[in-house]
Amino acid sequence: AQTVTQSQPEMSVQEAETVTLSCTYDTSESDYYLFWYKQPPSRQMILVIRQEAYKQQNATENRFSVNFQKAAKSFSLKISDSQLGDAAMYFCAYHKVKTSYDKVIFGPGTSLSVIP
Amino acid sequence: NAGVTQTPKFQVLKTGQSMTLQCAQDMNHNSMYWYRQDPGMGLRLIYYSASEGTTDKGEVPNGYNVSRLNKREFSLRLESAAPSQTSVYFCASSDWSEQYFGPGTRLTVT
Repeated sequence: AQTVTQSQPEMSVQEAETVTLSCTYDTSESDYYLFWYKQPPSRQMILVIRQEAYKQQNATENRFSVNFQKAAKSFSLKISDSQLGDAAMYFCAYHKVKTSYDKVIFGPGTSLSVIP
Repeated sequence: NAGVTQTPKFQVLKTGQSMTLQCAQDMNHNSMYWYRQDPGMGLRLIYYSASEGTTDKGEVPNGYNVSRLNKREFSLRLESAAPSQTSVYFCASSDWSEQYFGPGTRLTVT
């Protein structure tokens, strides 16, 4: 069964600095999607970034980028120039493709604090 | 275009009471999901529906039932609420690219 692990329950970063959140996953599939979701105090889940496993190029979205290491089954999120609004829970998620259903597996989350 | 809507936003139940959480999406997605979120445990899948007329158990289905009423609506029912079901509940729908979440329901069972 697929699993997603986030080994850092809590992280903190100074405003304007860079922080990296870790995620590892376990799967025997070769084709899948990986996601980072953000959950601010408002509780709304927001997609931050998506990576397709067949693409070797790391995804980027403005200040957010990933380091996708397929062989190592690692998918870290880098946040550059951290802002106060980045403070939130961050969830790594795995989505198996080419199935009759779309079940997504979430990690336990990392709580990020941004220090002014 | 409202996305995914959930009602109610907050609910307090006594042990043994029943209730139904409602969810609707207007994005024409086939797949819909119910999750619960507890501190330190992330999101755990309760039930999901790959298409209208089908439902499947997720990781933590005990104590819950679901109905996929039509393509838009997917409800979650607690027949006899227990304190262990105190949680935040999220409904979601998805296409191939991402999951779209509702605002969540905070349920407290006393």
